[in-house]
Amino acid sequence: DTGVSQDPRHKITKRGQNVTFRCDPISEHNRLYWYRQTLGQGPEFLTYFQNEAQLEKSRLLSDRFSAERPKGSFSTLEIQRTEQGDSAMYLCASSLEFAEQYFGPGTRLTVT
Amino acid sequence: AQTVTQSQPEMSVQEAETVTLSCTYDTSESNYYLFWYKQPPSRQMILVIRQEAYKQQNATENRFSVNFQKAAKSFSLKISDSQLGDTAMYFCASLQGAQKLVFGQGTRLTINP
Repeated sequence: DTGVSQDPRHKITKRGQNVTFRCDPISEHNRLYWYRQTLGQGPEFLTYFQNEAQLEKSRLLSDRFSAERPKGSFSTLEIQRTEQGDSAMYLCASSLEFAEQYFGPGTRLTVT
Repeated sequence: AQTVTQSQPEMSVQEAETVTLSCTYDTSESNYYLFWYKQPPSRQMILVIRQEAYKQQNATENRFSVNFQKAAKSFSLKISDSQLGDTAMYFCASLQGAQKLVFGQGTRLTINP
């Protein structure tokens, strides 16, 4: 069991650039979640997938954000035209249905 | 919408002492799950303990136990015989709609030698 992995671990980008993050869930987990965590706060839900279907998106997820999970395996989260307010830790988690979620190490995004 | 509140931003205890972290929540659902997660400095979120709301018995995992008061919507975490490695941010969370986790603001716990 290799756990949830995320890549990259750190990303520094200039305002206005596009960035993409990848999450590889635990292999047998059919659910995959994205959360955002700012310094000193608890994570906030962004979106989740069951297999390849994106079933819910938070209002936090503006039109600049898009997430995919092709073939129900890994997922990508893309942020277009990044803003300084997008600076945060982006966490991915996976689970079986109706079970506890296991988190990856996160991708820390800094927008300069 | 569900909310989770942790009223203790920071706590500090001596090694080997017992410490209790508080959490209250609000939900309109009849069945739900509650969790405590631990996030050590610069490390990933780790599940500490889980409680199903329909179970009256409080969950226990080694030195970690919860006091689940359903009527009061309270879900506290007790850490017995605290160790230096317990130093971390602790987040209380509820599972909303069996889908997304709703987290509290966190309690920063420091275990002093």
